[in-house]
Amino acid sequence: DAEITQSPRHKITETGRQVTLACHQTWNHNNMFWYRQDLGHGLRLIHYSYGVQDTNKGEVSDGYSVSRSNTEDLPLTLESAASSQTSVYFCASSESGVQETQYFGPGTRLLVL
Amino acid sequence: GNSVTQMEGPVTLSEEAFLTINCTYTATGYPSLFWYVQYPGEGLQLLLKATKADDKGSNKGFEATYRKETTSFHLEKGSVQVSDSAVYFCALSRRDSNYQLIWGAGTKLIIKP
Repeated sequence: DAEITQSPRHKITETGRQVTLACHQTWNHNNMFWYRQDLGHGLRLIHYSYGVQDTNKGEVSDGYSVSRSNTEDLPLTLESAASSQTSVYFCASSESGVQETQYFGPGTRLLVL
Repeated sequence: GNSVTQMEGPVTLSEEAFLTINCTYTATGYPSLFWYVQYPGEGLQLLLKATKADDKGSNKGFEATYRKETTSFHLEKGSVQVSDSAVYFCALSRRDSNYQLIWGAGTKLIIKP
């Protein structure tokens, strides 16, 4: 069965360190998204991609970067982790189309000390 | 711009009670509308969707009708169970938002036995 996975599931890091969160999907979807979820803010879009070599900034992209070198993967990098980036991070993917469902990974819980 | 407003939670009900979670939206044209559910410790998953006015989405006993005249997509269930305890998110998608989902803040539902 097709799926979308994230790793690690839990991560503790220190302020200033670079951190990369992995996202891998076997749906063969063109679209991939990274969100963060915080109490009181719901889901906020960080970055998204509509295909290989395509990346775009979302509403809360500062301090984050992504790259899309193949269809299956969209790693999210925190260049220099800050305590404000403590959050739960979700990756999602979808087919292209306004009616299409987004399929979510299980999430990565990141704590920045 | 496009936006989604959900009723604030938490909503606490007894088992077998009738559920309504309100969702209204602001968008030009004809967006697609979605309800996603997030069970504790998991990622989001699609519950139901509707892609044009007067469409009714349904799944697992939940229903929502796309009301263009009132710009609403309220979620209903006739008899809730403890297992329905989760966070419910309303969202819309439009072609001019490049297939991004515009999310409501989420409503936490607690069902007591």
